[in-house]
Amino acid sequence: KAGVTQTPRYLIKTRGQQVTLSCSPISGHRSVSWYQQTPGQGLQFLFEYFSETQRNKGNFPGRFSGRQFSNSRSEMNVSTLELGDSALYLCASSFQTGKGDEAFFGQGTRLTVV
Amino acid sequence: AQTVTQSQPEMSVQEAETVTLSCTYDTSESDYYLFWYKQPPSRQMILVIRQEAYKQQNATENRFSVNFQKAAKSFSLKISDSQLGDAAMYFCARPGGSQGNLIFGKGTKLSVKP
Repeated sequence: KAGVTQTPRYLIKTRGQQVTLSCSPISGHRSVSWYQQTPGQGLQFLFEYFSETQRNKGNFPGRFSGRQFSNSRSEMNVSTLELGDSALYLCASSFQTGKGDEAFFGQGTRLTVV
Repeated sequence: AQTVTQSQPEMSVQEAETVTLSCTYDTSESDYYLFWYKQPPSRQMILVIRQEAYKQQNATENRFSVNFQKAAKSFSLKISDSQLGDAAMYFCARPGGSQGNLIFGKGTKLSVKP
């Protein structure tokens, strides 16, 4: 069974640009969550999608957005990139997200903004 | 605010020895889940162990076990017979108020000495 796949693995962008990250969840999983990981702030929740609908959103500016497709694949977009957006972006999928469900994580996309 | 606190930024253990990683949390709920995730240098987060709060018995997964003290809101992870492959960042986590949202501690970096 294939795991959670995130593409690309590494990305370098310039301030002011926009970027799109992709996440393919485990087959059958309908929930996809996104997290930002930085040395200073640790792991912070961005948003969660379930059956193509954003169910929850963390405390991030509107420059961070996402969507989910009918096949459960998800994308997140960051517009007008800032240096502080440099981080590891992790995607996690789970079957139903009852609060005890295990979240399966991808290897992340390392975004560097220069 | 719902928080998860890991007070040990770094820990070290000798191969084959036992180490305990600490975690405390804040919650107003009576039933909830707690998790320990491992993040090796490959960056992929892996669930190590899960505990449901209403269960009195501490969870155990092979060499990994927890000491869950509900009244004290403490959830420590014990690794027995430590192996070189146990070297990683370990994160304590609990579900946030909404589904699909995990709140993580800052993590403990575990080194294993041969």
